[in-house]
Parts: sequence; C-alpha cells; structure tokens
Amino acid sequence: DVKVTQSSRYLVKRTGEKVFLECVQDMDHENMFWYRQDPGLGLRLIYFSYDVKMKEKGDIPEGYSVSREKKERFSLILESASTNQTSMYLCASSLGTGRGEAFFGQGTRLTVV
Amino acid sequence: GDSVTQMEGPVTLSEEAFLTINCTYTATGYPSLFWYVQYPGEGLQLLLKATKADDKGSNKGFEATYRKETTSFHLEKGSVQVSDSAVYFCAPRVRGSARQLTFGSGTQLTVLP
Repeated sequence: DVKVTQSSRYLVKRTGEKVFLECVQDMDHENMFWYRQDPGLGLRLIYFSYDVKMKEKGDIPEGYSVSREKKERFSLILESASTNQTSMYLCASSLGTGRGEAFFGQGTRLTVV
Repeated sequence: GDSVTQMEGPVTLSEEAFLTINCTYTATGYPSLFWYVQYPGEGLQLLLKATKADDKGSNKGFEATYRKETTSFHLEKGSVQVSDSAVYFCAPRVRGSARQLTFGSGTQLTVLP
C-alpha cells in the first residue's frame, strides 16, 4: 500500500513554542503539500514543494515555514505557535506535473493553548 | 485561475435515498477530475477519478461522469448508507501544474438510519 505518514495524530503545544509537523511518503513522489483544514473554510494550501529543497508559498503561508531536505520528507514548521493556528493539518503527495491523484496522510490535529 | 464550485452542505438524507453532489470547475487546460472522501477524524481518501471526457469513475457504489461540455463532475449514488456519512471534496488537477490540486469547499453528508 502506498503511504503518506504524519508523525502525530494529536498534538498540544503552548503559545510561542516552535512546532514541527513531519510528513513522510514512500511513493517517490516529486510533489508534497501542506494544507490546513478549518470548519467552513475547506482545505487551504500553506506550502508545497516540487523537488528537494524547492518550495513555494501557497495561499496562507504567514506564520509557517517548510523544509524538504530529502525527497520523502516534508516538514511544516510553526515558528512561534499561536492560538489561531489551532487546526487540522493535512500532508499530501503526488507525482510530478502529470494529472495523477494526490495521496493524503491521516492528519494532525494541533491545539495551541 | 482554476476554481471549483461545489454544492454546499450540509446534506442530510435517509438511508437508501439517492444522492447527488454537484461540482463544476473552471480550469486552464484539460484536467483530470477527482472526488475525495474524508471520514470523521481522518485524512482525505481518493473515492473515484476520471481522466478524459465522458469517462465514468466509480467506486463503492458512487459514480461521476466527466462532462467536458458543461465542465461538471457530479457525484451520485443510488442508495446511500449510514457508513457514507463523511465530507466529500471535488478536485480537478491540471497537467503541467505542480500546485494544482484545487479543492472544492467540501460537502458534509449525513445519512440517518
């Protein structure tokens, strides 16, 4: 089975902490994505990466950064967590620039207190 | 840019009722079309897909037909079950774009026994 694995299902962090969300895929996909999902707002793209060390901002990059040092791993970093970053975070991967589907991880429910 | 208009929810149906969730899109180029499903507390899973005009994607009793002339990809099921309760997302993906995946806002479906 193809897999996208997020390091945590549930996470509770304090305001101001630096938070790392990790995502690993085993499909040798070029593209990887980070979304956040909030009630009534659907999925919003934070950042994506189309190659190792390559990244582009999505629709809501403020307060976040990313790292892709290896093809299989894509990390989302909250530099200084705030309560408005409490959300469900979803990682996904897909093949290059073809028209294939994306594969999603199980999601990380982050609560910032 | 590319966009998706998806039927707003929430949708509540009785078991064995007929389901339609409308989806229309605008896209530059010739997209592949996907429906994803998200069960409570989980990430998104691919439900079905179609890659060219007039293709019909099907899975778990759900169907959707790629209508290029109306730029639509409506999801249907003849007889829903309680276990179909989930959020459904329509998503086109255009070749040549690493970023796209474009998601609709999602439609919450609740099926009552």
